[in-house]
Amino acid sequence: SAVISQKPSRDICQRGTSLTIQCQVDSQVTMMFWYRQQPGQSLTLIATANQGSEATYESGFVIDKFPISRPNLTFSTLTVSNMSPEDSSIYLCSVLKVGLTNEKLFFGSGTQLSVL
Amino acid sequence: SQQGEEDPQALSIQEGENATMNCSYKTSINNLQWYRQNSGRGLVHLILIRSNEREKHSGRLRVTLDTSKKSSSLLITASRAADTASYFCATDNYDRGSTLGRLYFGRGTQLTVWP
Repeated sequence: SAVISQKPSRDICQRGTSLTIQCQVDSQVTMMFWYRQQPGQSLTLIATANQGSEATYESGFVIDKFPISRPNLTFSTLTVSNMSPEDSSIYLCSVLKVGLTNEKLFFGSGTQLSVL
Repeated sequence: SQQGEEDPQALSIQEGENATMNCSYKTSINNLQWYRQNSGRGLVHLILIRSNEREKHSGRLRVTLDTSKKSSSLLITASRAADTASYFCATDNYDRGSTLGRLYFGRGTQLTVWP
């Protein structure tokens, strides 16, 4: 299993500012992922955060808007830059754990972001 | 675009009844997973079924997969009030040479179980 600590749990921000979300895992993991869940919607993958290399972004997401750091195998940050009300969402980090017979994604508890 | 679509969007039942949720997807997959989310927070992995499997059980959960119809169902038997949550199916995308963890989620089914 994996225990993921995500901070902050919620924040209210002003338009045009930036927020950095932290994700700490209790064990070393190769792959970490950042997802976004807009109100009443499903989860959408933003990017895959790889240690020692640039993050890989999904279609519709760019590094200038969502810069990601992955300085080591237990930690990652996602920054939501130059925020607008459309960025109001829950942001979730997740890690992949691969076992002998199974693979599982473990999720942090999420960051509820509201942009005014 | 979203890969999975759950049906129904909302389900309300009494404790002790069974709850069935369905999921349809669009592309070829390696596996399909079901997750649970309480109160819009972190998701909890429930079960994974591979494309070469047709049925899988875990406790009170039963998942079926029909790759010819590109659909899956999640059955929760003898439901409890504590099962109240949103349930999401998620798939990888075989056609894109998927990497585990890069999942495509449906909009979810909101299950309410009344005591």
